Amino acid sequence: DQQVKQNSPSLSVQEGRISILNCDYTNSMFDYFLWYKKYPAEGPTFLISISSIKDKNEDGRFTVFLNKSAKHLSLHIVPSQPGDSAVYFCAASAAGTALIFGKGTTLSVSS
Amino acid sequence: DAGVIQSPRHEVTEMGQEVTLRCKPISGHNSLFWYRQTMMRGLELLIYFNNNVPIDDSGMPEDRFSAKMPNASFSTLKIQPSEPRDSAVYFCASSLGAGFTEAFFGQGTRLTVV
Repeated sequence: DQQVKQNSPSLSVQEGRISILNCDYTNSMFDYFLWYKKYPAEGPTFLISISSIKDKNEDGRFTVFLNKSAKHLSLHIVPSQPGDSAVYFCAASAAGTALIFGKGTTLSVSS
Repeated sequence: DAGVIQSPRHEVTEMGQEVTLRCKPISGHNSLFWYRQTMMRGLELLIYFNNNVPIDDSGMPEDRFSAKMPNASFSTLKIQPSEPRDSAVYFCASSLGAGFTEAFFGQGTRLTVV
């Protein structure tokens, strides 16, 4: 059973608009959440993270929101740029455990 | 630092053959992870080492899969015998500890078993 779920396999957005990628988790022991970005033929690269004691973390155009009661997090990208087109993975971990990833969402930003 | 280094980048092998994937983690990192990426299952954790000791191997699909970490700078993932359904991209990642930290990924090994 998947502990981290990304229910939207793909998302298309116009350049300049906001991209919102969603992620749900089931394990209440998770206390650290991350987003990774992956381009074709490359490994995933870390984008932004949030700990369970916060509900928001911002880094430039990227903001991650955490709703612990709903076991839901989201990544907002604003404004979206064509170079943001990639696969985005949501990941979560509990203390001392490896990262568990969702299946990913392919974001396409058109100019 | 050169980052996590994986070899080979691509491997094509015949069903039944032994395949060995290699990984050099980032110097100073004490946790190492092997992941497999497929369309159906996304990025799934195969095994996690901490200080060269396997901590969680519950993701290793079958006895055909084995992983070793003989020292802090080298790990292998072996498949023997390989099957077509093992075709996937295999990633190695390393981090400073586990939990509450990001992992750094290598570029992956694309394995094709024919």
